Amino acid sequence: KQEVTQIPAALSVPEGENLVLNCSFTDSAIYNLQWFRQDPGKGLTSLLLIQSSQREQTSGRLNASLDKSSGRSTLYIAASQPGDSATYLCAVDNYGQNFVFGPGTRLSVLP
Amino acid sequence: NAGVMQNPRHLVRRRGQEARLRCSPMKGHSHVYWYRQLPEEGLKFMVYLQKENIIDESGMPKERFSAEFPKEGPSILRIQQVVRGDSAAYFCASSRTGGDDGYTFGSGTRLTVV
Repeated sequence: KQEVTQIPAALSVPEGENLVLNCSFTDSAIYNLQWFRQDPGKGLTSLLLIQSSQREQTSGRLNASLDKSSGRSTLYIAASQPGDSATYLCAVDNYGQNFVFGPGTRLSVLP
Repeated sequence: NAGVMQNPRHLVRRRGQEARLRCSPMKGHSHVYWYRQLPEEGLKFMVYLQKENIIDESGMPKERFSAEFPKEGPSILRIQQVVRGDSAAYFCASSRTGGDDGYTFGSGTRLTVV
């Protein structure tokens, strides 16, 4: 059974810092991995999708890497801004059947 | 090109009533997934449907919950005889190819049982 964990559970940083969010999964036979952000009381916004044959994806200030063999993904946020404050969720796709979500990292960027 | 549309956004039901949650996938998407997010908990998979078929319902509670995705119209998640423990946010996601291009989520339906 696939299990996904995220570290840290919560993070508070001053504006402008670069930061790394970590995601680990127990079964490396994944189809793809997707990072989402969720604002309080809102839905999920897709940030980056990394397919199993890829090692990283970039979008603006965000960069996500995937190491299937070690069961890890990291989300790197450069030059953080208060608008980045949200919960970041890592989700692993088990061959198109369903997503297994991590518990999330709650990020607070202080102005 | 509208995204995944869920309605209603908020739903209040008394204990014992029925709740019907609707999800219209993105245009061109034929795979629909329902997830539940309990207060202060992560998202948990409930059911995966394609048009007129349930592919995986391993996350659905055995009683009171059912889902369908008819040939025409939205996918429906139905909860009969709701209890307070059903209060949660219910999210629907859709994909075009069953995951190749990732998943797009709707804004969710927040169900409150009073």
